[in-house]
Amino acid sequence: AQSVAQPEDQVNVAEGNPLTVKCTYSVSGNPYLFWYVQYPNRGLQFLLKYITGDNLVKGSYGFEAEFNKSQTSFHLKKPSALVSDSALYFCAVRDGNFNKFYFGSGTKLNVKP
Amino acid sequence: DSGVTQTPKHLITATGQRVTLRCSPRSGDLSVYWYQQSLDQGLQFLIQYYNGEERAKGNILERFSAQQFPDLHSELNLSSLELGDSALYFCASSVEGGNYEQYFGPGTRLTVT
Repeated sequence: AQSVAQPEDQVNVAEGNPLTVKCTYSVSGNPYLFWYVQYPNRGLQFLLKYITGDNLVKGSYGFEAEFNKSQTSFHLKKPSALVSDSALYFCAVRDGNFNKFYFGSGTKLNVKP
Repeated sequence: DSGVTQTPKHLITATGQRVTLRCSPRSGDLSVYWYQQSLDQGLQFLIQYYNGEERAKGNILERFSAQQFPDLHSELNLSSLELGDSALYFCASSVEGGNYEQYFGPGTRLTVT
């Protein structure tokens, strides 16, 4: 079955340290992968996407993600976390065969000063 | 501000009632998506319209229906409401189909009492 898994409900990082938010997926066709961020009482904001090409994708606010086909993963990374990065992060995948979207359960990122 | 507008912001209604949620996409965007976000089920894709036609269907209940009008705005109709329908309903838009990032509106918070 098609799905997206974010294994960590919460990630805690100190400001200035690198951060990783994990995502794995399962789809029947070619995956189209996205990361979104949600701040309290706001809609989701697009961060980055992987459609094809280079496995390392760079996005907004210094975030990047690495597509790993063999591990079916698309982890979100940032070299140096900021307190303002604290928010809820969603991984999403579009199933290329059925044109449906699946979102992970979300990971709350807490960056402490 | 994503450029996607949703009305109303909040809606409180009783079980058994019917409501209509409205979404105006970003200027130039042809695709509209509807999502339901609840604490127990996370973010669920409901349905996608592209230029007035239904493009993809997700976990949308039969009591729910949507349409996209010639001016590209969309409405989500929820009928025979149940307590479990209480959630945040998001609309998103994109230029075309699934390869493109989605821009989310601020959401409509529906409370069914």
